Amino acid sequence: RKEVEQDPGPFNVPEGATVAFNCTYSNSASQSFFWYRQDCRKEPKLLMSVYSSGNEDGRFTAQLNRASQYISLLIRDSKLSDSATYLCVVTDTGGFKTIFGAGTRLFVKA
Amino acid sequence: GAVVSQHPSWVICKSGTSVKIECRSLDFQATTMFWYRQFPKQSLMLMATSNEGSKATYEQGVEKDKFLINHASLTLSTLTVTSAHPEDSSFYICSARASATAYGYTFGSGTRLTVV
Repeated sequence: RKEVEQDPGPFNVPEGATVAFNCTYSNSASQSFFWYRQDCRKEPKLLMSVYSSGNEDGRFTAQLNRASQYISLLIRDSKLSDSATYLCVVTDTGGFKTIFGAGTRLFVKA
Repeated sequence: GAVVSQHPSWVICKSGTSVKIECRSLDFQATTMFWYRQFPKQSLMLMATSNEGSKATYEQGVEKDKFLINHASLTLSTLTVTSAHPEDSSFYICSARASATAYGYTFGSGTRLTVV
């Protein structure tokens, strides 16, 4: 079993749609969780951190369920510019080791 | 915000030659820097963790003699791909965290290596 697993995608959605990505992790001792966005041939950029209480940033909502070892990202009112690969990232205690999910590709169409 | 400068952005080299990639933290001290490799349509794979002033820690399956990492100062870490082969062609990225309390990691812009 992979340490971090994500929906394989790709997700093809029309503008304005709501799309949800899921991610599971295997190490129950994992400490920190993030969603990153990576555009083609570019470096990943932090989208948002993920907290147990859930957090929202504009159209983006992230949720963490430690009991189920599950992370989610919800994007509402999708824009063309949201097209990218979304990476689920998990770090161990102290943030010393970082594991990336394989990423989920999102295509938003006009 | 925290910035990591990585260069070169891309490099083409002949088989058997060595290539050095540099990552500099511009406005913070990076005690630890991480080196990743990403093949097309695949995720980032951690290659090694570079600690200033000590030997790097390599992930299983990564040859330490082939991928030489030097972290001589708090703002500079280098990755040298020695005796490069076409199968080493990949996207190499470094990252660091500005502080123990900072959330998320800052990435360099990546180096696309093509070995011919």
